[in-house]
Amino acid sequence: ETGVTQSPTHLIKTRGQQVTLRCSSQSGHNTVSWYQQALGQGPQFIFQYYREEENGRGNFPPRFSGLQFPNYSSELNVNALELDDSALYLCASSSAGGGYNEQFFGPGTRLTVL
Amino acid sequence: GNSVTQMEGPVTLSEEAFLTINCTYTATGYPSLFWYVQYPGEGLQLLLKATKADDKGSNKGFEATYRKETTSFHLEKGSVQVSDSAVYFCALSPSMNRDDKIIFGKGTRLHILP
Repeated sequence: ETGVTQSPTHLIKTRGQQVTLRCSSQSGHNTVSWYQQALGQGPQFIFQYYREEENGRGNFPPRFSGLQFPNYSSELNVNALELDDSALYLCASSSAGGGYNEQFFGPGTRLTVL
Repeated sequence: GNSVTQMEGPVTLSEEAFLTINCTYTATGYPSLFWYVQYPGEGLQLLLKATKADDKGSNKGFEATYRKETTSFHLEKGSVQVSDSAVYFCALSPSMNRDDKIIFGKGTRLHILP
């Protein structure tokens, strides 16, 4: 069973640029959640995708957007990058469908905005 | 709103010492509670969970009891090892029996000295 994978591992961008981060969910999982973890902080919920639709969103501006594909993999897009967007971005997958749904986290993508 | 407060680190202990990391929460309804661990260079891993009051979660020698009367979920281990050195996050999910939209504390870094 393959776990959650994310790419790239590290990324450096400059202010104003756009970035796309990718996540492959664990086999059998249909839900993907994205989190932002700033240095020294706990992860903060960005949004969740279930069956290709956004299923809940945290307190992040519209320049944070996402997609989920038919194979349940997902992308996080951030437009007009700001310095404060520098963080570790974590993806987690789970299998929604009733009962307890544990989220399994990937290793993250570290984004640095200069 | 929903929030998690955990003791600030770093916490430094000698091997075989007793560990307590305090965690309190604020939530409406009946949240599920979690402890996650993040080892250096790795993603988040679920350490243990409790989904209702008085439940005790346990794993790898770690324990935490869901105390609704004190809104607490303190993490304990009787004898820590060097390999326990990591960052520990207390977290909650506002929805009973689902762990979407997880809300994390800021994390507590634990150093175990040999």
